[in-house]
Amino acid sequence: ILNVEQSPQSLHVQEGDSTNFTCSFPSSNFYALHWYRWETAKSPEALFVMTLNGDEKKKGRISATLNTKEGYSYLYIKGSQPEDSATYLCALLYYGQNFVFGPGTRLSVLP
Amino acid sequence: EPEVTQTPSHQVTQMGQEVILRCVPISNHLYFYWYRQILGQKVEFLVSFYNNEISEKSEIFDDQFSVERPDGSNFTLKIRSTKLEDSAMYFCASSVTGGATDTQYFGPGTRLTVL
Repeated sequence: ILNVEQSPQSLHVQEGDSTNFTCSFPSSNFYALHWYRWETAKSPEALFVMTLNGDEKKKGRISATLNTKEGYSYLYIKGSQPEDSATYLCALLYYGQNFVFGPGTRLSVLP
Repeated sequence: EPEVTQTPSHQVTQMGQEVILRCVPISNHLYFYWYRQILGQKVEFLVSFYNNEISEKSEIFDDQFSVERPDGSNFTLKIRSTKLEDSAMYFCASSVTGGATDTQYFGPGTRLTVL
């Protein structure tokens, strides 16, 4: 079974800092990569769906890129705000498997 | 905005008991899913459901588990005889088309504690 890893496991940044974290995967044989934002005690919220090498998606201050050749996707947050504090999950739908989730990156933005 | 709801938010049960976790997917969605997250571990896929049938299931989803859409709105996960290792957060999700790029909308989860 193919795995998904995320780094770092957790991250503390000051309000206003920009930050990024990584989802890495061993194979490019997947249909789609999904990013989710998950605040404590709430439902995971879909951020982006990425499929093609070189994909770049943006939603406000958050953006994501996909590099299937090198096996990673980056999530960037520009000018972090306290409300960005959450766990960010990536999940891949590999060929022949169901969704495989990474362990998440827990982001804390300090005011 | 429509959302997926789950009840109860927390269920405590004794080992060996049956539990039913309930979900109300978004009304025009056709594909339904259950996931779980054991504390400290990754979110894991359990099962997907479409047109009143299981379409995919993982190795975790053994004979102790079953899913049902008993009416037009609810989607349930039943664990027939709970084990300690079934303690986890259980998430329901739904999507419109079930496609690889289709967004899955998650509920807030039910925390199951098996004593």
